Amino acid sequence: NAGVTQTPKFQVLKTGQSMTLQCAQDMNHEYMSWYRQDPGMGLRLIHYSVGAGITDQGEVPNGYNVSRSTTEDFPLRLLSAAPSQTSVYFCASRSFLQGKLYEQYFGPGTRLTVT
Amino acid sequence: DAKTTQPTSMDCAEGRAANLPCNHSTISGNEYVYWYRQIHSQGPQYIIHGLKNNETNEMASLIITEDRKSSTLILPHATLRDTAVYYCIVRPLKTSYDKVIFGPGTSLSVIP
Repeated sequence: NAGVTQTPKFQVLKTGQSMTLQCAQDMNHEYMSWYRQDPGMGLRLIHYSVGAGITDQGEVPNGYNVSRSTTEDFPLRLLSAAPSQTSVYFCASRSFLQGKLYEQYFGPGTRLTVT
Repeated sequence: DAKTTQPTSMDCAEGRAANLPCNHSTISGNEYVYWYRQIHSQGPQYIIHGLKNNETNEMASLIITEDRKSSTLILPHATLRDTAVYYCIVRPLKTSYDKVIFGPGTSLSVIP
């Protein structure tokens, strides 16, 4: 299994540009989520999904959209990038299986800079 | 989800045990204690979890106090590769949604 994959690894955007951060997992996990990480602030939850067609907001959803059309993919869209969205973004997934509820797998991260 | 408090940073000599504390005084009866770590520039990695009994796996041991208001993650023989940020999280095992909240964590530096 490739686990959780994210693309791109690095991205530079100008203010106002839009882009989509890709996330995919091949473990058939029901849960997927997006976090952003800023210095000294740990990981903050942006959006999450408990299954295909179902998404919900996390702690810091403003400025981001998500969709979950398949179990495997959970893209994060920035509609109009702002410098405050400069961060490292992590995608994560987790299984519904009884013995695996605690294991959350993270992708390698996308480093985004908005100028 | 209950809030946790961890020291901002800690040092540990290579080969010695690293003991990372976590306070979770508002933990409720159905909440487990989880530990993750994040090595620089990588995504977080699950380490261990427990409810009230002490737990041990190939990576670490978890000691939970009898009143469950605090816990300690123990890396028995720290290596340089254990230098990372360690996150302590409390949440129910069976949650209907994936709102896993991470705090700032403890930055552990293993020194040669």
